[in-house]
Amino acid sequence: QSALTQPASVSGSPGQSITISCTGTSSDVGSYNLVSWYQQHPGKAPKLMIYEGSKRPSGVSNRFSGSKSGNTASLTISGLQAEDEADYYCCSYAGSSTDVVFGGGTKLTVL
Amino acid sequence: EVQLVESGGGLVQPGRSLRLSCAASGFTFDDYAMHWVRQAPGKGLEWVSGISWNSGSIGYADSVKGRFTISRDNAKNSLYLQMNSLRAEDTALYYCAKDWRHYVTTNFDYWGQGTLVTVSS
Repeated sequence: QSALTQPASVSGSPGQSITISCTGTSSDVGSYNLVSWYQQHPGKAPKLMIYEGSKRPSGVSNRFSGSKSGNTASLTISGLQAEDEADYYCCSYAGSSTDVVFGGGTKLTVL
Repeated sequence: EVQLVESGGGLVQPGRSLRLSCAASGFTFDDYAMHWVRQAPGKGLEWVSGISWNSGSIGYADSVKGRFTISRDNAKNSLYLQMNSLRAEDTALYYCAKDWRHYVTTNFDYWGQGTLVTVSS
């Protein structure tokens, strides 16, 4: 189990769009359509933002979208808002019946 | 309202044991898989272990395999993590998280506030 690879930080101005990548391998991201994305504000518990690669739970803004190509998943946030500033983590199923792996996390700064 | 309340954290010496508990309420506990996820101070999330609704399927991160044991008591709506042979690198905030399926997925829809485990002499 190796952590998925995410950029340490990304930034954008209000109203802009940003994309966070999450690179795994053919054993995890590439093999399963089971990538989730979590948002974590400082001192708070994580919040599920995207599941099964591109689906949004009820209540999550449609400014958040997910996709996957090969071994890389991506989270795109459009129309950036100040409250989007947070840490974002990808998470993938990684084979066998119960293996789960997180990415190292990406700090999003809204300029 | 779904609530997950962790307990059992604290300061422990290297090599010793600790048992974490997670009390669940506000949902039908035995319908869902459950997980432990940890976060070392200033670091990212790390999945520790997951257990299916009936304990029939259990998994561990390589970093804790052979030292930690996850279990659940559906009659008590509780999740546990027995941690043995603790190491300094196990120091973290340990979250209890609810899966939204009865089997293990990567979709954790509710989280507790965490219990802090500090391993130090």
